[in-house]
Amino acid sequence: GQSLEQPSEVTAVEGAIVQINCTYQTSGFYGLSWYQQHDGGAPTFLSYNALDGLEETGRFSSFLSRSDSYGYLLLQELQMKDSASYFCAVGGGSYIPTFGRGTSLIVHP
Amino acid sequence: NAGVTQTPKFRVLKTGQSMTLLCAQDMNHEYMYWYRQDPGMGLRLIHYSVGEGTTAKGEVPDGYNVSRLKKQNFLLGLESAAPSQTSVYFCASRRDYTNTEAFFGQGTRLTVV
Repeated sequence: GQSLEQPSEVTAVEGAIVQINCTYQTSGFYGLSWYQQHDGGAPTFLSYNALDGLEETGRFSSFLSRSDSYGYLLLQELQMKDSASYFCAVGGGSYIPTFGRGTSLIVHP
Repeated sequence: NAGVTQTPKFRVLKTGQSMTLLCAQDMNHEYMYWYRQDPGMGLRLIHYSVGEGTTAKGEVPDGYNVSRLKKQNFLLGLESAAPSQTSVYFCASRRDYTNTEAFFGQGTRLTVV
């Protein structure tokens, strides 16, 4: 089976940097993905890490350590529009995507 | 390009009624999934398909059936709705095993009374 753990809620102020952690346990591993979901909306893909290290996409970065079964999403220069839920997910290839329970990010002015 | 389209967007059912949720994708994706999302529970996989004519059970399949007669469509059926099936249902698709990104529909908010 597969399970993922991430904090239920994180708060930060506009302009700050925030890190959302994700630890996972899987019987097989293909990669770690991150999705963003605004209230009432659909999840949208943010990033994917198959190998150890940091991947940067604009203000967002994602990190993976396969030896520690751990990854994180880093959001810089936070904006109010970043208030959303963020999900980590494992899977890819022939593995079924499995999602964590999500982290609600609240950005305060 | 519409991407992934779900119909209907909202529905209220009485206990015991049946209904079918339709998911259509126009990206020629092989893999399609049905998830349900409940508060604090994240996205839980109901059923999935890895190609036309194939289906398989996910984490929470009880009370649901699916069919994938055409590659672009993935149908989710509730034969006898129960209040426990009140949820938001998301369909997603993925190109194939070489690609990780999943594309989601806008969701169907189902209430069973």
